[in-house]
Amino acid sequence: IAGITQAPTSQILAAGRRMTLRCTQDMRHNAMYWYRQDLGLGLRLIHYSNTAGTTGKGEVPDGYSVSRANTDDFPLTLASAVPSQTSVYFCASSDGTGEVNEQFFGPGTRLTVL
Amino acid sequence: GQNIDQPTEMTATEGAIVQINCTYQTSGFNGLFWYQQHAGEAPTFLSYNVLDGLEEKGRFSSFLSRSKGYSYLLLKELQMKDSASYLCAVGDSNYQLIWGAGTKLIIKP
Repeated sequence: IAGITQAPTSQILAAGRRMTLRCTQDMRHNAMYWYRQDLGLGLRLIHYSNTAGTTGKGEVPDGYSVSRANTDDFPLTLASAVPSQTSVYFCASSDGTGEVNEQFFGPGTRLTVL
Repeated sequence: GQNIDQPTEMTATEGAIVQINCTYQTSGFNGLFWYQQHAGEAPTFLSYNVLDGLEEKGRFSSFLSRSKGYSYLLLKELQMKDSASYLCAVGDSNYQLIWGAGTKLIIKP
């Protein structure tokens, strides 16, 4: 692994189903982030984690949950998917906390909820 | 509220120079970032400004004026591979990045 990986690459999901998007980084970065990107809108922060064992809510957290059991992994769970969660999801990581550093992005997961 | 404004789309000619502007209103300021994003790909880091002035990196330069809440990205000697979206992002008082919607740059031969 080099950098950040995400899985799956894409997924079509029925409304009401549960789905977990996976994110793994091998850079030993403290901070990790989940964004969604929709046409015409900027990247919007869903949840973040400044260090293993801690998480925080971003701008659009409703309907999503995260966990950070270790440094490398930061899964995003949709408990009961709805069509408005159709989007491209990017996981990112950065080194250090208490400051704003360059964020490194995974390749993204394209999710369609029908 | 917090707001980042960039033009939606710009068109330029191969070999020319283009300037992409970004204005921002955020709670606090902890640096301004420019990212490049090719269609269907992830954003990648281009530049970072925290002090006023111009930062030059090869064909790309980025300028910041904190008093005006303004930045621009200058791309010189445009190449077809520069066709992409350019995202402006500002670090706010919570050390989170606030993102603009991006500027789609179309390069014509």
